[in-house]
Amino acid sequence: QSALTQPASVSGSPGQSITISCTGTSSDVGSYNLVSWYQQHPGKAPKLMIYEGSKRPSGVSNRFSGSKSANTASLTISGLQAEDEADYYCCSYAGSSTFVFGGGTKLTVL
Amino acid sequence: QLQLQESGPGLVKPSETLSLTCTVSGGSISSSSYYWGWIRQPPGKGLEWIASIYYSGGTYYNPSLKSRVTISVDTSKNQFSLELRFVTAADTAMYYCARQSTGIVTWDYWGQGSLVIVSS
Repeated sequence: QSALTQPASVSGSPGQSITISCTGTSSDVGSYNLVSWYQQHPGKAPKLMIYEGSKRPSGVSNRFSGSKSANTASLTISGLQAEDEADYYCCSYAGSSTFVFGGGTKLTVL
Repeated sequence: QLQLQESGPGLVKPSETLSLTCTVSGGSISSSSYYWGWIRQPPGKGLEWIASIYYSGGTYYNPSLKSRVTISVDTSKNQFSLELRFVTAADTAMYYCARQSTGIVTWDYWGQGSLVIVSS
């Protein structure tokens, strides 16, 4: 069970859109539509932003969207705002009630 | 409002056992709709799922940690616990307890985290 692969960092200017990728294998991301995305601000616990690949929990802005193609899931944030600056983590169900996380991506809003 | 609160020693010596407890308030740990689990984050690094448990006692472990980990539940106290044996400096991390909804298979509620440092 290896960690999912995410870019270490991405950046964008306010108002722009950015996409963060999350690459796994046919045993996790590719097998299940059960990828979730978490936002983590410094010193805080992770916050669920996307579940089941593309669904948003109540209260999460519709600027956040998720998708998947084959073994790669993606998180897109449109209309970037300063408060979006944070670390983002993907997580996939990997079968037999196990989970695997990505290494995290630091988003910088320029 | 559901709340999860981790508790336990903040400092553990190498080769000893790390023990943490998560107290759940505002909801029942015995609900059939949820699993409960532990996730850790070494300083400056990413998240790692450690283990999950169902109220009835079913347990699930990260294969890389399985030989050293035990997760347990005490429904009478609305708590679940983690034991990690033979710790090393590599086990230094923020340890989070969290709730996993069976319906959406994701971690939707998290505790604030408990920092555990392994050092002599």
